Amino acid sequence: SQTIHQWPATLVQPVGSPLSLECTVEGTSNPNLYWYRQAAGRGLQLLFYSVGIGQISSEVPQNLSASRPQDRQFILSSKKLLLSDSGFYLCAWSAPRGRVLGPTGEAFFGQGTRLTVV
Amino acid sequence: SQQGEEDPQALSIQEGENATMNCSYKTSINNLQWYRQNSGRGLVHLILIRSNEREKHSGRLRVTLDTSKKSSSLLITASRAADTASYFCATDASGNQGGKLIFGQGTELSVKP
Repeated sequence: SQTIHQWPATLVQPVGSPLSLECTVEGTSNPNLYWYRQAAGRGLQLLFYSVGIGQISSEVPQNLSASRPQDRQFILSSKKLLLSDSGFYLCAWSAPRGRVLGPTGEAFFGQGTRLTVV
Repeated sequence: SQQGEEDPQALSIQEGENATMNCSYKTSINNLQWYRQNSGRGLVHLILIRSNEREKHSGRLRVTLDTSKKSSSLLITASRAADTASYFCATDASGNQGGKLIFGQGTELSVKP
């Protein structure tokens, strides 16, 4: 069965420090991978998504970047954190769309990382 | 901009009552999905409805889709205290190349015992 791992669960970082959040998926190949951010009491904002190794689409220009060094690994990074980067970060995957692009099926989420920038 | 917008933002009902949440979106879609989130946790998929479907059921859940109005509704019948959570719709826009899912702002449901 497929599983998704996201860590750490909580993180407190000072302003100006770097960030690296990692997400890995098991049990599937070539998944679509996503990073979302959720502010308190708000919806999910799509930050980055990837349909393959080295293929990253950025949805919102900001202080963050993403990389996909391996098929089932998705990393969210920042060189210098801002206070506004605080939030709940969620990684997710969905089944690959196949050789003929088709609709996206359900997404499976990790448990999230609560980041507080102080 | 966010594709899905839910209303109401918050809903408080008594156990046993039905809860209805609505979602509106802006572009043509392949499908629309509903998710549930317990406080501080990841999201869990509830149900997916394709653009050529008008209604779908899963247990106590009933989802409708009106593509002419670009709207969907989620009905939870005979609600329970355990249904207390936030509910989100997500859209898979047709023509999009990356399989991205866009989520709305969510409806916070409180079911009082």
